[in-house]
Amino acid sequence: DTGVSQDPRHKITKRGQNVTFRCDPISEHNRLYWYRQTLGQGPEFLTYFQNEAQLEKSRLLSDRFSAERPKGSFSTLEIQRTEQGDSAMYLCAGSGGPDTQYFGPGTRLTVL
Amino acid sequence: GESVGLHLPTLSVQEGDNSIINCAYSNSASDYFIWYKQESGKGPQFIIDIRSNMDKRQGQRVTVLLNKTVKHLSLQIAATQPGDSAVYFCADVRRGNQFYFGTGTSLTVIP
Repeated sequence: DTGVSQDPRHKITKRGQNVTFRCDPISEHNRLYWYRQTLGQGPEFLTYFQNEAQLEKSRLLSDRFSAERPKGSFSTLEIQRTEQGDSAMYLCAGSGGPDTQYFGPGTRLTVL
Repeated sequence: GESVGLHLPTLSVQEGDNSIINCAYSNSASDYFIWYKQESGKGPQFIIDIRSNMDKRQGQRVTVLLNKTVKHLSLQIAATQPGDSAVYFCADVRRGNQFYFGTGTSLTVIP
């Protein structure tokens, strides 16, 4: 157990609906990352926060995706107008420095 | 484009044998490499890392080898156990905060 939690663990939604996921890293993690992982593939970087500042965003992060980390602690990832192609595992990882990351269990999203 | 990839998608080994999982990378600017283990239904778990100025690093039952000349990374697991069955990913780190993961190798340990 890395101490990083994600909620919900599973989400099933209909196409066109909005969804929001939450990640709670441990308090020492000033860095927070969001990834998307599809079956059989490695995690793909989406975005990165250092404290409350969003410093990096992947080109994979379309304008339907938005992430926040308002107080530099927990983070939310919102997907608006979901599409079937958004179905994936969404992973959050925390880090106290530039080296390794500690991943949460992920939120599995299914868009019908 | 830039990529991190694995040579074999699946690997089966007998319990007690050594396992070797390979990874090729293409970005010579990568300054750090990490191996992760991912079990079904869980997030990736850190195993071992190596900096680009090193060529070998050992942990408990695991060794990572880095060959920068051919841009190749390997993970060696000694005395493989059933609990080692998982998908293994290599990741390279660029500019200290960009993590790029490969496709993964599924390791199955046969009792």
